[in-house]
Amino acid sequence: DGGITQSPKYLFRKEGQNVTLSCEQNLNHDAMYWYRQDPGQGLRLIYYSQIVNDFQKGDIAEGYSVSREKKESFPLTVTSAQKNPTAFYLCASSIGRGNTGELFFGEGSRLTVL
Amino acid sequence: AQKVTQAQTEISVVEKEDVTLDCVYETRDTTYYLFWYKQPPSGELVFLIRRNSFDEQNEISGRYSWNFQKSTSSFNFTITASQVVDSAVYFCALSEAGWVTGGGNKLTFGTGTQLKVEL
Repeated sequence: DGGITQSPKYLFRKEGQNVTLSCEQNLNHDAMYWYRQDPGQGLRLIYYSQIVNDFQKGDIAEGYSVSREKKESFPLTVTSAQKNPTAFYLCASSIGRGNTGELFFGEGSRLTVL
Repeated sequence: AQKVTQAQTEISVVEKEDVTLDCVYETRDTTYYLFWYKQPPSGELVFLIRRNSFDEQNEISGRYSWNFQKSTSSFNFTITASQVVDSAVYFCALSEAGWVTGGGNKLTFGTGTQLKVEL
């Protein structure tokens, strides 16, 4: 089945550690996105990528990094510089250029900092 | 700047009641798209509908209907005869049309409305 796979589903991290969240899609979509969800704040855009080897900062990029070496993959690293990393992280994709259609989402990764 | 407001944080209804989820948006664009997504307890957001700014026709899909009114910048969502399976968080979102330099297809989300449908 086509879709977006995020892993791990749950992740615990000690303060000061970097962690990487995986996002893989087999929808052949050009664009991919990372959103952060906090209670009562909706979804906020961290990074997005419109094409391989290119990505742009979203609204809350500080303390995060991404790479887009392959079309199918868009991993997110939560660095120790992120002051409040405990959150639910959602990866999404869309067809790409010229598209104003929907985003397709993964099931999310819940990160807890101990 | 774009903004989406969902003033209802949580709504509780009894099964078979009708319920309307409100969404008010702000944008300076003349062409834009509005969306509703459903987030069940599993966490994945599920697309429900997209409307463009030039199409103000109301839409009905089964028990779901949407009322888009440009004059009041609202895009409300009604569930008729609600069911327990409708319990979820519902998000309204706004997107600028097409590719804008540095913008891409970025969605601005509201804060969501938690709908609880009880027996």
